[in-house]
Amino acid sequence: GQNIDQPTEMTATEGAIVQINCTYQTSGFNGLFWYQQHAGEAPTFLSYNVLDGLEEKGRFSSFLSRSKGYSYLLLKELQMKDSASYLCAVRGAGTALIFGKGTTLSVSS
Amino acid sequence: SQTIHQWPATLVQPVGSPLSLECTVEGTSNPNLYWYRQAAGRGLQLLFYSVGIGQISSEVPQNLSASRPQDRQFILSSKKLLLSDSGFYLCAWSPGLDVVDTQYFGPGTRLTVL
Repeated sequence: GQNIDQPTEMTATEGAIVQINCTYQTSGFNGLFWYQQHAGEAPTFLSYNVLDGLEEKGRFSSFLSRSKGYSYLLLKELQMKDSASYLCAVRGAGTALIFGKGTTLSVSS
Repeated sequence: SQTIHQWPATLVQPVGSPLSLECTVEGTSNPNLYWYRQAAGRGLQLLFYSVGIGQISSEVPQNLSASRPQDRQFILSSKKLLLSDSGFYLCAWSPGLDVVDTQYFGPGTRLTVL
């Protein structure tokens, strides 16, 4: 079957660094996506990995290891506005994205 | 730039009533279009996707249906709503042109079935 696992909740303080892990088992692999979703709002696209390694976008970075079926999203210099759910999604063999249930991150001052 | 609209934003419907949710995309041609549902405590579930007018693929058997009457219009319907249809319905689009094919979400419709 196809499965995506993420921690349910994480907490961190302002200015800190947090790493959100994602492991996946899918039929085929054509890329891994990270989305941010604030409460009551739609998901917004953060990053995409298709090759192994680290992709950096400002305060956010995403890492992929295809052999391990593993990715992480790294958030640096945390701000209160980073409190949100972070969704890991994988495109398998088809068009559809398979989403994990999301990790709710709470940032405190 | 591209924008995606959904309406209504919120909806409260009785069990057994019909449903019609609409999604439109501006600023692009021949996009791939998607309907997702997000129920409380669950991940995003793909319901339907479309790669062109009149072309609909269903991912999950249910009492919902989808139609794409125009290139940039995607409609989600039901003849008789169930309590389990409550949730946050999200429409998304992607360019469908390259391997990345990132999906971008609309603002969503929050449906409560009573």
